[in-house]
Amino acid sequence: GQQVMQIPQYQHVQEGEDFTTYCNSSTTLSNIQWYKQRPGGHPVFLIQLVKSGEVKKQKRLTFQFGEAKKNSSLHITATQTTDVGTYFCAGPSGTYKYIFGTGTRLKVLA
Amino acid sequence: NAGVTQTPKFQVLKTGQSMTLQCAQDMNHNSMYWYRQDPGMGLRLIYYSASEGTTDKGEVPNGYNVSRLNKREFSLRLESAAPSQTSVYFCAGGLADPSTDTQYFGPGTRLTVL
Repeated sequence: GQQVMQIPQYQHVQEGEDFTTYCNSSTTLSNIQWYKQRPGGHPVFLIQLVKSGEVKKQKRLTFQFGEAKKNSSLHITATQTTDVGTYFCAGPSGTYKYIFGTGTRLKVLA
Repeated sequence: NAGVTQTPKFQVLKTGQSMTLQCAQDMNHNSMYWYRQDPGMGLRLIYYSASEGTTDKGEVPNGYNVSRLNKREFSLRLESAAPSQTSVYFCAGGLADPSTDTQYFGPGTRLTVL
């Protein structure tokens, strides 16, 4: 069946360092979404990418959708302690259904 | 505007007991979802409802039933709880619009089955 994998599973960085998480789908996606979950919290929508090769920025966060629409990445520049949490990608799996990636847990050391 | 609310926040059950997790949204969402989250497993879809009156199975439906009571409410029932159902359960709502189907999650229910 369809799978969405993320790497790495965990990442520890020093505050100020950059961070990247990668999302890979076994099938071509019509769009991809990214969510952030703070420790003890619930997932919160960050962004949706739709077009092949699309790049979107939100302040220090840069999101990219691959040309083949099977992979995506999230890059954080100069991490801050407020970036701590787990980042999930999610792709459509049929109509109105989404499959979530396994997530990347980010720890930022001050 | 409360968004998506879930009750209870925490629950401890004994094996074999039954319970219903409640979810309500006031964001006029057409679609609603139930996920479970286990350590290292991400979010797995249990059941979803694309619109009022319809429900469909997700990835891990065994041991669960759902009811879409009306547009606002979507409940998840465990008829005979098992330790393997210990998890955090999230309800979410969405617009059911493929071009912008952002999901809004509730705060979650932490369930422990002894």
